[in-house]
Amino acid sequence: GEEVAQTPKHLVRGEGQKAKLYCAPIKGHSYVFWYQQVLKNEFKFLISFQNENVFDETGMPKERFSAKCLPNSPCSLEIQATKLEDSAVYFCASSQLGQGNQPQHFGDGTRLSIL
Amino acid sequence: DAKTTQPPSMDCAEGRAANLPCNHSTISGNEYVYWYRQIHSQGPQYIIHGLKNNETNEMASLIITEDRKSSTLILPHATLRDTAVYYCIVRVVNTGNQFYFGTGTSLTVIP
Repeated sequence: GEEVAQTPKHLVRGEGQKAKLYCAPIKGHSYVFWYQQVLKNEFKFLISFQNENVFDETGMPKERFSAKCLPNSPCSLEIQATKLEDSAVYFCASSQLGQGNQPQHFGDGTRLSIL
Repeated sequence: DAKTTQPPSMDCAEGRAANLPCNHSTISGNEYVYWYRQIHSQGPQYIIHGLKNNETNEMASLIITEDRKSSTLILPHATLRDTAVYYCIVRVVNTGNQFYFGTGTSLTVIP
């Protein structure tokens, strides 16, 4: 598609439950990025993929967080045993190539609420 | 380590030019400056980017100083729909190309 599609828009989970978020990048884009926005203006990079391969995972928490981008499937971000502090908006972005002069196109995010 | 500093908020009269400054004094030679905006809680929207030269597109102009330590985003005729948080971002080229977002400038366009 022409836009990055993220599902669901909202996700509510009890503390300790699993949460799984999905992202369909723009068709033809090879790079996918995940960001977490906890407070209103603060973004944190989590992980990036080049096609189905992890490109950079330096921002991913060591425990509980995992992500995949499999061929012919939306990318996914999964959080095991969620904690209250995982409440945030999770944004996915895609770009055609990985170079510095390629804009990233963002989806509208998934708002995760942990109760 | 946001790499950029911006004023937290600014006002601009409708129809006037909005000039949003950004400091990126530690920028490296191969790092691009990007500007995005976020309206309400939507996803960040791409505006413009540049490396050394000034850039212009249908949305805005980007002026980068010669030493590249700062830049200014110019919205030539601000409208109420330009009210948003504007992020100046330095794109790190050599480590996965993720964006380092700062805390942004909340621009309010006043009728």
